[in-house]
Amino acid sequence: SQKIEQNSEALNIQEGKTATLTCNYTNYSPAYLQWYRQDPGRGPVFLLLIRENEKEKRKERLKVTFDTTLKQSLFHITASQPADSATYLCALRSQAGTALIFGKGTTLSVSS
Amino acid sequence: GAVVSQHPSRVICKSGTSVKIECRSLDFQATTMFWYRQFPKQSLMLMATSNEGSKATYEQGVEKDKFLINHASLTLSTLTVTSAHPEDSSFYICSARTPGPATNEKLFFGSGTQLSVL
Repeated sequence: SQKIEQNSEALNIQEGKTATLTCNYTNYSPAYLQWYRQDPGRGPVFLLLIRENEKEKRKERLKVTFDTTLKQSLFHITASQPADSATYLCALRSQAGTALIFGKGTTLSVSS
Repeated sequence: GAVVSQHPSRVICKSGTSVKIECRSLDFQATTMFWYRQFPKQSLMLMATSNEGSKATYEQGVEKDKFLINHASLTLSTLTVTSAHPEDSSFYICSARTPGPATNEKLFFGSGTQLSVL
């Protein structure tokens, strides 16, 4: 069955540095991959979607790459700020239906 | 962006009682809504897909008689946890997709409901 892995449970960086989060998937060839942000006790908020024919996508300080050969997506936050501290989830569409399947998430902590 | 409202945000109940959670799309019509459950430091686990006017589709291992889903209108889906037990304590989150082309795949989430069963 399809699996999504976000290898780092937690990532701690200093303000101003670039945070890089990894998402790997197996047994699946998704047409696109999505990234969400989740704050404690809240529902996830959509950040970016990248399609299989796109190598890279940017939105302000965010950048996502998608390598379908490696079955991996990298999520970058440049010039990180304490306000970026949250859990970041990657998601793929379920093979069986229209829902999204999520990774466990990486909790980013940016210290000032 | 689209807004999904979920209510209540927190509920504490006694074991054996039933709890209803509401999920509303406030500024769009959602023919399909999704219900997820999340345990601390775990991923969101899809429980079921709720389709307006028809029966919900449950994921493997989710008891449909315990987690009743009703999607009676294009803006409202409800999840009822029947005869709740402490092991049902979790964070329940609903989500919906705005109508449009299939390429518009992003989900909008409610703020979640923290259920604690004593």
